[in-house]
Amino acid sequence: DAMVIQNPRYQVTQFGKPVTLSCSQTLNHNVMYWYQQKSSQAPKLLFHYYDKDFNNEADTPDNFQSRRPNTSFCFLDIRSPGLGDAAMYLCATSRDRVAGGQVAGANVLTFGAGSRLTVL
Amino acid sequence: DAKTTQPNSMESNEEEPVHLPCNHSTISGTDYIHWYRQLPSQGPEYVIHGLTSNVNNRMASLAIAEDRKSSTLILHRATLRDAAVYYCILMDAGGTSYGKLTFGQGTILTVHP
Repeated sequence: DAMVIQNPRYQVTQFGKPVTLSCSQTLNHNVMYWYQQKSSQAPKLLFHYYDKDFNNEADTPDNFQSRRPNTSFCFLDIRSPGLGDAAMYLCATSRDRVAGGQVAGANVLTFGAGSRLTVL
Repeated sequence: DAKTTQPNSMESNEEEPVHLPCNHSTISGTDYIHWYRQLPSQGPEYVIHGLTSNVNNRMASLAIAEDRKSSTLILHRATLRDAAVYYCILMDAGGTSYGKLTFGQGTILTVHP
């Protein structure tokens, strides 16, 4: 089945030690998103890629970076994790209007199962 | 971004219908109404979406008010597997060719056996 796969599902790191989370998709979608979800809170968009174009949300800290080497893969890099960065990190994908043949507002996002980050 | 308002929590009994309300009084003419749900320890899952007319799919029905300022997600027969956080979201296309989702707090649905 076509899907969005996140690795690792669980990541434990030490304060200040860089972490990379990965996301792969077999849907051939143009757009990939990274969300952060802290305990008992709603998911919060960090940034997204439209093809190779990177779009950062205004309030995303510089500590968070992303790479998309090809259509299928996207990485989230946390350069110096703090205790406040402990969260579930969710990757999602969507197609664009031209390829999907539907208007932008009707776009459906497909989410991965998430990567839970613990910072010690 | 146009915002939505949902009750913090709702409860239902198994096999009974569930009506989850959502208010979006500042909705714009081009905003689509989306519903996603998130089961414990999983990523959000698409449920249904609509623009003006009521919509049905295998998971649920979406009833949209005539003035579009509110909508209701209907689960026709709740099961224990429907216990989740349900998010009502207005999709922000923002002039792009794709949509972004900005999540609100959602409604925690508890289903009793």
